[in-house]
Amino acid sequence: DAGITQSPRHKVTETGTPVTLRCHQTENHRYMYWYRQDPGHGLRLIHYSYGVKDTDKGEVSDGYSVSRSKTEDFLLTLESATSSQTSVYFCAISEFQGRPDTQYFGPGTRLTVL
Amino acid sequence: AQSVTQLGSHVSVSEGALVLLRCNYSSSVPPYLFWYVQYPNQGLQLLLKYTSAATLVKGINGFEAEFKKSETSFHLTKPSAHMSDAAEYFCAVTETGANNLFFGTGTRLTVIP
Repeated sequence: DAGITQSPRHKVTETGTPVTLRCHQTENHRYMYWYRQDPGHGLRLIHYSYGVKDTDKGEVSDGYSVSRSKTEDFLLTLESATSSQTSVYFCAISEFQGRPDTQYFGPGTRLTVL
Repeated sequence: AQSVTQLGSHVSVSEGALVLLRCNYSSSVPPYLFWYVQYPNQGLQLLLKYTSAATLVKGINGFEAEFKKSETSFHLTKPSAHMSDAAEYFCAVTETGANNLFFGTGTRLTVIP
């Protein structure tokens, strides 16, 4: 299994509070991704990173920001959490781009916003 | 634009029966296609991927999928279902140079003893 950990694994928070989710990898892969999983929607890309300090928006980026100061860590921040951000968040990594490289997924973080 | 459609959000089969999970894709260029499996409370695990090398792709746990360009399909099959196959299955598509996978809405497979 790819060495990907996510923390916390579960979090309950209140509307309006900031939340940061962490993804840590031990594979030294260049590309990292944040997805959210919601019933009836599958997984949708929030943000991705193609290197340290290099990030870009995905399909559902509104209300989220990311940072990557080290190869191994990719942080997802909800500046002011809303109930619509209640979801399961998955981090993924891949080694290459420009070819159909496999993305490896972490175990997920279940976030509940009350 | 890329997208995938998975027909049937829930599929039930008897143990030992054929498993068929359907996936149709939409892509303006030759696609790359993936099947992932998700067991309860876990992340996604790659079952198999199509990268244009061969139209019939074999994956882990006895699963395989066939790429049919004329039908824009990439259906997942397994000849004989096992109880341990009960999970949710996702089809996904990407293109060369693309930055992310586009996922279908998933199919939950139930295996009846």
